[in-house]
Amino acid sequence: EDKVVQSPLSLVVHEGDTVTLNCSYEVTNFRSLLWYKQEKKAPTFLFMLTSSGIEKKSGRLSSILDKKELFSILNITATQTGDSAVYLCAVKGAGSYQLTFGKGTKLSVIP
Amino acid sequence: DSGVTQTPKHLITATGQRVTLRCSPRSGDLSVYWYQQSLDQGLQFLIHYYNGEERAKGNILERFSAQQFPDLHSELNLSSLELGDSALYFCASNRELEGEAFFGQGTRLTVV
Repeated sequence: EDKVVQSPLSLVVHEGDTVTLNCSYEVTNFRSLLWYKQEKKAPTFLFMLTSSGIEKKSGRLSSILDKKELFSILNITATQTGDSAVYLCAVKGAGSYQLTFGKGTKLSVIP
Repeated sequence: DSGVTQTPKHLITATGQRVTLRCSPRSGDLSVYWYQQSLDQGLQFLIHYYNGEERAKGNILERFSAQQFPDLHSELNLSSLELGDSALYFCASNRELEGEAFFGQGTRLTVV
């Protein structure tokens, strides 16, 4: 059974800080790892990392995938209050296209 | 706005009742996934449909069923509802099976 563990479960930082969110996984025949941001309702897609794309960047957010050590990190630099959300990590494994999610990291950015 | 539409947004019903949740995927997307999100369990995969055919089942109770229609919208039917079924139910869709999934705003179900 595929498994995703995220840490920390929650994090409080001040505006301007840099944060690193962790995601470790166990999956049979890894296909991809995805990061989502969930504010009030719908998770919104951030990044997808695969064997052919192990590093992604968009503005202040970046993510890397370490397939050997089976983990990924999501970095957010110069945090803003709008970054406050739950960040979800998910994986796709062998023979399936659905996502297995971790329980998320709740990030709170205070002014 | 992801382009995935779910109705209703909120639903309050009594134990033992049956409800139907509806999902319209993004235009052109053939896959629909249903997920349940509760406070203690996080997001759990329920079922996946691709172009009208059931593709995969996850932790879906026998009291729950789903289908995808020829116009690609999907419905999730929940019957004999229990208090523990109270949760957010999300639908997601994607165009390419290997690609990222886009989520709807969810239906918050409260069973009283």
